[in-house]
Parts: sequence; C-alpha cells; structure tokens
Amino acid sequence: EIVMTQSPATLSVSPGERVTLSCRASQNINSNLAWYQQKPGQAPRLLIYDAFTRATGIPARFSGSGSGTDFTLTISSLQSEDFAVYYCQQYNYWYTFGQGTKLEIK
Amino acid sequence: QVQLVQSGGGLVKPGGSLRLSCAASGFRFSDYYMTWVRQAPGKGLEWVSYISGSANSSYHADSVKGRFTISRDNARNLLYLQMDSLRADDTAVYFCARDGRYSSTCYNSWGQGTLVTVSS
Repeated sequence: EIVMTQSPATLSVSPGERVTLSCRASQNINSNLAWYQQKPGQAPRLLIYDAFTRATGIPARFSGSGSGTDFTLTISSLQSEDFAVYYCQQYNYWYTFGQGTKLEIK
Repeated sequence: QVQLVQSGGGLVKPGGSLRLSCAASGFRFSDYYMTWVRQAPGKGLEWVSYISGSANSSYHADSVKGRFTISRDNARNLLYLQMDSLRADDTAVYFCARDGRYSSTCYNSWGQGTLVTVSS
C-alpha cells in the first residue's frame, strides 16, 4: 500500500497569509495526486488533480505542484472560507489518502 | 448540474446488512466510473470500492472485500453499496462520488454522505 503523509497536522494561520501544505508518498506516484478540501459536516471538494490542474470553479489562489513523491498545495492569500481540512490522495496504484492538514485561524 | 443524492444508512447490529443508494443526475451516468469512500468519526478518508461505467469491472478495498458489493443500474442512474457482515469498524459516513470517464482516478462530485453505525 502506498502511504501518504501530510504535514503539518495542524497549521494556525491568519487571513491573507500564504500557506503551503505538504504531502509525501511512500513511493513514486508520478503526478497522480489530487487535493481535496473538507469543511465540517460536508463532503470533500476536489481542488487539484494530476498534481497541479485546478478543478472546475476552483479559485486561482489554490495551486498544486510536485511529482514523484513530494507534493505541495499552496494557497496564495488565505480567505475566511479556506479554513478547513485538506487531504491529498494518490491514484497511481489503488487509492490512498493522507491523514489531513487542518487549517485553523490564528 | 451534477447531483448525487444518497439514501440508506442508519443503525445496524454487528453481522447485519445494509444497502446504500446514490441517485445521480445532471450527467450521463453510464459514462463515468463511480466510487464509494468512507470516513470514520473524526478520522480521514478511506477508499472503499469503485465500479466502471458499464459495470464490467469493480474492485473493493481489502478491508471490505467479500463483505461489500458495489453495483449500478444505468437505466435508473443509481449506484449501490450492499454491505453484509457488518462490523463495528465499518461505522462511518459513506460518500458516493463521481470518478473518471476512462479509469478510476479522483472524485470531482460527491454525495452528501450517509452515516452507517454498527452497534449492538
């Protein structure tokens, strides 16, 4: 099984800040990586797929990068609605998710 | 617009069975792979199973293999998850999700989720 490790587990940030979330795969997953945002009581929402392609309707402040084993999700200027939990998911070999990074208001 | 509306779920005793349904609209259902993902209370996301658009292939996670069965009715735009021999560690919110057109990849539309509680 490919293990996805996200860091940090929790990030305290202020609105307007730039943030970078990390996701590391236990083996090479090429660019077969997606990022999701989940708010309490809601279903996840796809943000990024194929490591860097924004999903339909996702604001340009969200960007993804990386390939192989190391990936990042960057939010250029945090808005109030961005405080949520973020998950990465690999789909190179079966499907596994990271444990999530929670963005909380500082 | 794409809509996935889930039904089923609830409280069931260990060893019991339950069937989840997911009604799809707003897209050509048979063109897409469909997937079930679950989330235990306070935990992360876990892939459960997927099925191809034509239903000629389906796969399940090892944790549910032999107990859960995914299926679909393309004439009625419905996705199902039959869950048998339920255990306490199957307790979770279950989400259906629209997958890729040509293979199972990632999930760009999700149902609202339905809670399954396995407890005596």
